[in-house]
Amino acid sequence: DTEVTQTPKHLVMGMTNKKSLKCEQHMGHRAMYWYKQKAKKPPELMFVYSYEKLSINESVPSRFSPECPNSSLLNLHLHALQPEDSALYLCASRGDKTGELFFGEGSRLTVL
Amino acid sequence: AQSVSQHNHHVILSEAASLELGCNYSYGGTVNLFWYVQYPGQHLQLLLKYFSGDPLVKGIKGFEAEFIKSKFSFNLRKPSVQWSDTAEYFCAVNAPRVGTYKYIFGTGTRLKVLA
Repeated sequence: DTEVTQTPKHLVMGMTNKKSLKCEQHMGHRAMYWYKQKAKKPPELMFVYSYEKLSINESVPSRFSPECPNSSLLNLHLHALQPEDSALYLCASRGDKTGELFFGEGSRLTVL
Repeated sequence: AQSVSQHNHHVILSEAASLELGCNYSYGGTVNLFWYVQYPGQHLQLLLKYFSGDPLVKGIKGFEAEFIKSKFSFNLRKPSVQWSDTAEYFCAVNAPRVGTYKYIFGTGTRLKVLA
């Protein structure tokens, strides 16, 4: 089990849909991440929030919109996605003292 | 820009064989180094990390890694692998002066251990 909880575990959406991925951690970590992982590829950094402010955006298309409502929650809003956006979306939080990233199990997204 | 290379993409070993997975990074300044493992169907988990001090670090499940600064390397080792070590292994680098929060992952090594 992981201390970073992601929902939903699986999501299928059409290209015109609007959906959201959610991530929650209660370890008191102040930095949270979204990574995208395609099959047989490494995780690719998308966004980082630190102290509830967006600190890194790796030139991600605007059809992905992150939101950090509070220090425990991280959302990724999805709109007008393309089939090539189908992937495993991983959330992580960073241990303030350890510098370790703690990952959730991911949300597997399929865009039809 | 930082980059991380893992030259072994697929490794197949028999149980009890020794393992060494290579990891090289490109950044010349201070780095924090990590090895993560992803077992089939599970989340990424930390195996071990290096921040400073003794360049030989020990992690969970009998894994260790050696930081060689002159070679920009952080290779992962295990003297005797088990079937349960079958997984994908990722090296990751964080360069605090480039970005405290930026962690870059290598391409991964898929290890299969034959019983």
